[in-house]
Amino acid sequence: GAGVSQSPSNKVTEKGKDVELRCDPISGHTALYWYRQSLGQGLEFLIYFQGNSAPDKSGLPSDRFSAERTGGSVSTLTIQRTQQEDSAVYLCASSQLRNTEAFFGQGTRLTVV
Amino acid sequence: QKEVEQDPGPLSVPEGAIVSLNCTYSNSAFQYFMWYRQYSRKGPELLMYTYSSGNKEDGRFTAQVDKSSKYISLFIRDSQPSDSATYLCAGLRGSARQLTFGSGTQLTVLP
Repeated sequence: GAGVSQSPSNKVTEKGKDVELRCDPISGHTALYWYRQSLGQGLEFLIYFQGNSAPDKSGLPSDRFSAERTGGSVSTLTIQRTQQEDSAVYLCASSQLRNTEAFFGQGTRLTVV
Repeated sequence: QKEVEQDPGPLSVPEGAIVSLNCTYSNSAFQYFMWYRQYSRKGPELLMYTYSSGNKEDGRFTAQVDKSSKYISLFIRDSQPSDSATYLCAGLRGSARQLTFGSGTQLTVLP
């Protein structure tokens, strides 16, 4: 595709439910990142995938958060037993290997009620 | 202390003004410094990046890094209403791939 695609664009879920957020990176980009942006806050790094290497999960806030990347392309971020503090915009970005320019998707706005 | 600090604003200027956006950082390992622009309900888009100290100019935008004072600046000349957005600075360590962002400055350029 022309850019990074994320779905859904908006998600409202009840506290305690699980959610899955999807990211489709730019074709050919080997690096994929997930960030979280809370209201009035900067972007908080969550997880980074690079090719077939083990992902860098150092930013995941708790074990309720997990992510996978299948076939080196599409990635899914899963949040289990959602809490109200999980409400935020979840942004995905991709870049070419050794390229400092990361392209962001439009994000998924998650609201936990 | 956050690794990248940024005044959240909001900052409001008249059209045509020169805008100065600033960040400070504490991590000496940062080698690249980025400025992203984020329109409301959109993802951030990269405006410019610089490597190490110095200036970089692109059209109406100039990015400046002073590593001795750990200070990052973005200047916008002849500001336009279309420049109204949130501007995010970020640092990147050469050995790492994830960016460390400031909290963003909300800019409004009034026509």
